[in-house]
Amino acid sequence: DAGITQSPRHKVTETGTPVTLRCHQTENHRYMYWYRQDPGHGLRLIHYSYGVKDTDKGEVSDGYSVSRSKTEDFLLTLESATSSQTSVYFCAAAQHGAGNQPQHFGDGTRLSIL
Amino acid sequence: DQQVKQNSPSLSVQEGRISILNCDYTNSMFDYFLWYKKYPAEGPTFLISISSIKDKNEDGRFTVFLNKSAKHLSLHIVPSQPGDSAVYFCAARSMDSNYQLIWGAGTKLIIKP
Repeated sequence: DAGITQSPRHKVTETGTPVTLRCHQTENHRYMYWYRQDPGHGLRLIHYSYGVKDTDKGEVSDGYSVSRSKTEDFLLTLESATSSQTSVYFCAAAQHGAGNQPQHFGDGTRLSIL
Repeated sequence: DQQVKQNSPSLSVQEGRISILNCDYTNSMFDYFLWYKKYPAEGPTFLISISSIKDKNEDGRFTVFLNKSAKHLSLHIVPSQPGDSAVYFCAARSMDSNYQLIWGAGTKLIIKP
């Protein structure tokens, strides 16, 4: 869907290690988003980007950083992973950021922090 | 404090019958609502949306109804088909949070043959 690719698809790592998740899109969408999905919760926004080098915090940004050096790539970094960051992470992209246009999602990254 | 609530974690419906998925919200600053569908091991895909200035939007077998006074919306699927078995998320656009989406926890719809 809209050429959103997330890598890796699965990752297991240890507490305290740095982790970087990658999102790549091929549709030249301006806006990109990182969400996490946990049981009993809907998707919660971590960070989003509204252009190259332009990013902002979402609802649950503590412990996460992002970078967008190219339109097509949006990286999510956990500087020092904690067990509470075990989750499924979804990347999304949209041409407009007004929220009334559909966001296109990747297939997710399942991250386990032991 | 969940601003968007989908109170039914799961729903089972006979094939060919109507499926009704419900969503309640608390924030009066929500002005646009979207439904997404998600299959296992895949990302959500957009299904249908509705602006707060409308009370109904229809697209094929899918209809979304909005009751602003009750802060309630519902998704109707008629007739239900086996391929409709999925998790359905309700999301609301928030005018007081940079127009970002606030998501419900989802309802798992199971269509029985």
